[in-house]
Amino acid sequence: EVQLVESGGGLERPGGSLRLSCIASGFTFSNAWMSWVRQGPGKGLEWVGRIYSNAEGGTIEYAAPVKGRFTITRDDSKNTLHLQMNSLETEDTAVYYCATGVRSGYYPYWGQGTLVTVSS
Amino acid sequence: DIQMTQSPSSLSASVGDRVTITCRASQDISNYLAWYQQKPGKVPKLLIYAASFLQSGVPSRFSGSGSGTDLTLTISSLQPEDVGTYYCQQYKSALTFGPGTKVDIK
Repeated sequence: EVQLVESGGGLERPGGSLRLSCIASGFTFSNAWMSWVRQGPGKGLEWVGRIYSNAEGGTIEYAAPVKGRFTITRDDSKNTLHLQMNSLETEDTAVYYCATGVRSGYYPYWGQGTLVTVSS
Repeated sequence: DIQMTQSPSSLSASVGDRVTITCRASQDISNYLAWYQQKPGKVPKLLIYAASFLQSGVPSRFSGSGSGTDLTLTISSLQPEDVGTYYCQQYKSALTFGPGTKVDIK
């Protein structure tokens, strides 16, 4: 059974930093393309970024609103995906989901999400 | 970047009605489109991938069609448990979600 468990959310002030983690199980994590998707309060789904497998060069893509502020990394030895969020803005307030289709661009597998609140 | 729009933004229909939601891409995405259902407070659920392929376990009243820039999701006979918000998502180039269509029962 595929499981994705996010952690690291919380309250942070504008300009601050947070690091989210997603521990994966039930599939070969090192081969998987992993994404972060967020959902602001009362808003729709917004793709944040994606990291390919290291065997495919570990290419990382980011959505425009987070490019230059957020960094996605992976630790295949720990089956863990990270999202380092710097220079946080109030608009970054959202539930952050870890998601994967293993090796597809559509997502049958989602974590439960972790809430990030950016407020002074 | 590829932009996605959906119409309508919300709809109210009776149980048993046929419901159609349209997703439009700002450029040709071929069939690189998925549809998700999200119920309040829940994680999104994949319904359709590659525009028309039904995800395992999803009821057959859901179907997808189209290719290129105009794609549709159809619920052939709306059921009370289908209430929620539906999102399209393109994966032809990076990823983009549509703004969502809220469906409820009249």
